[in-house]
Amino acid sequence: AQKVTQAQTEISVVEKEDVTLDCVYETRDTTYYLFWYKQPPSGELVFLIRRNSFDEQNEISGRYSWNFQKSTSSFNFTITASQVVDSAVYFCALSEGGGGSYIPTFGRGTSLIVHP
Amino acid sequence: DAGVIQSPRHEVTEMGQEVTLRCKPISGHDYLFWYRQTMMRGLELLIYFNNNVPIDDSGMPEDRFSAKMPNASFSTLKIQPSEPRDSAVYFCASTSGAGYTFGSGTRLTVV
Repeated sequence: AQKVTQAQTEISVVEKEDVTLDCVYETRDTTYYLFWYKQPPSGELVFLIRRNSFDEQNEISGRYSWNFQKSTSSFNFTITASQVVDSAVYFCALSEGGGGSYIPTFGRGTSLIVHP
Repeated sequence: DAGVIQSPRHEVTEMGQEVTLRCKPISGHDYLFWYRQTMMRGLELLIYFNNNVPIDDSGMPEDRFSAKMPNASFSTLKIQPSEPRDSAVYFCASTSGAGYTFGSGTRLTVV
């Protein structure tokens, strides 16, 4: 069974600090997908990134970067020089695609508060 | 494309009433998911469809919940009768196997 653990319930930082959100996953499939979503105070779920299990390259998008390590079953998300607008709940999700079904399982989320 | 469209955005109803939530997925997406989000349980998958066919409804909490997808462009989630513990945000999402796109959600309050 697939499982996603986001051990950090809440993180509080001051603007311009770097912050890393942890995500650890469990799956028996060799083919799977990992995601990060952002849920700002307005409530919608905003897609940030998808990574498949065969691509361990780290990715950078502006101030956002993701570190995928299969050896530790982790897919961590770093925000560099955080801003107040980054305040949101961030969800990591896992989808096992080997059987043709794409059922995402979400972690409990990490609430990030960025203080000015 | 306008994305996944959910209606209504907010719904307040009295206990015992029937509630119907609506979702229009992105055209061409063959998977549709209904999720419920609460503080206690986080994001829970209720049911998902593939090509309009319900595949797994094991997450539906009780017989009071039912979902349909009569065609590729429309799905409903119905609660009858509603109870205060059903109060939550209900999300619909669709995918064709790549990224999942979520609707804006329906915030349901049962009083």
